[in-house]
Amino acid sequence: EAQVTQNPRYLITVTGKKLTVTCSQNMNHEYMSWYRQDPGLGLRQIYYSMNVEVTDKGDVPEGYKVSRKEKRNFPLILESPSPNQTSLYFCASSLGSSAGELFFGEGSRLTVL
Amino acid sequence: GENVEQHPSTLSVQEGDSAVIKCTYSDSASNYFPWYKQELGKRPQLIIDIRSNVGEKKDQRIAVTLNKTAKHFSLHITETQPEDSAVYFCAASTQGSARQLTFGSGTQLTVLP
Repeated sequence: EAQVTQNPRYLITVTGKKLTVTCSQNMNHEYMSWYRQDPGLGLRQIYYSMNVEVTDKGDVPEGYKVSRKEKRNFPLILESPSPNQTSLYFCASSLGSSAGELFFGEGSRLTVL
Repeated sequence: GENVEQHPSTLSVQEGDSAVIKCTYSDSASNYFPWYKQELGKRPQLIIDIRSNVGEKKDQRIAVTLNKTAKHFSLHITETQPEDSAVYFCAASTQGSARQLTFGSGTQLTVLP
């Protein structure tokens, strides 16, 4: 089954404790992206990747890191989480340059105390 | 960068009535405009999209219109049903694809039986 898989789905952590949210897709998609969803703000792009070893900042990259060492994986790293990073995070992927659909993972709800 | 504004933030309609959600974008280079539907607790999913060389597109009960001059696009849902209740997001991209999508803030549509 074609899918984007995120882990963990739910996480409660404390300020400053490094964490990684993993994202994996099995559709051989070139493009992957991370969004955060907050009430009243919609979906805001954190980072995106056009292909392996090619990453770039989105609209809200502060406090986050990403890597794309393999085509299928695109982890999101919070080196020192803060309470303002409490949010619902979505990983998404898309096929290529003319592909219209962004396939989303199920989301990861993160709470930073 | 691109800015997408979406209105209204909430919309309630009677079952069988029509619903219209409107978005404006700021970057005249934007050329791809998708709409995503997010049911409660679920991931966003693409429901319809339009490219800048087309003024209108329909798919059964949903349609999207685009006014490039005014930098404005709208989602129209006719004969609404309770299962249409969800959050709807508009988005825009200058890449002609799902890459680097900028999303609006979302509209909570409630269809009243």
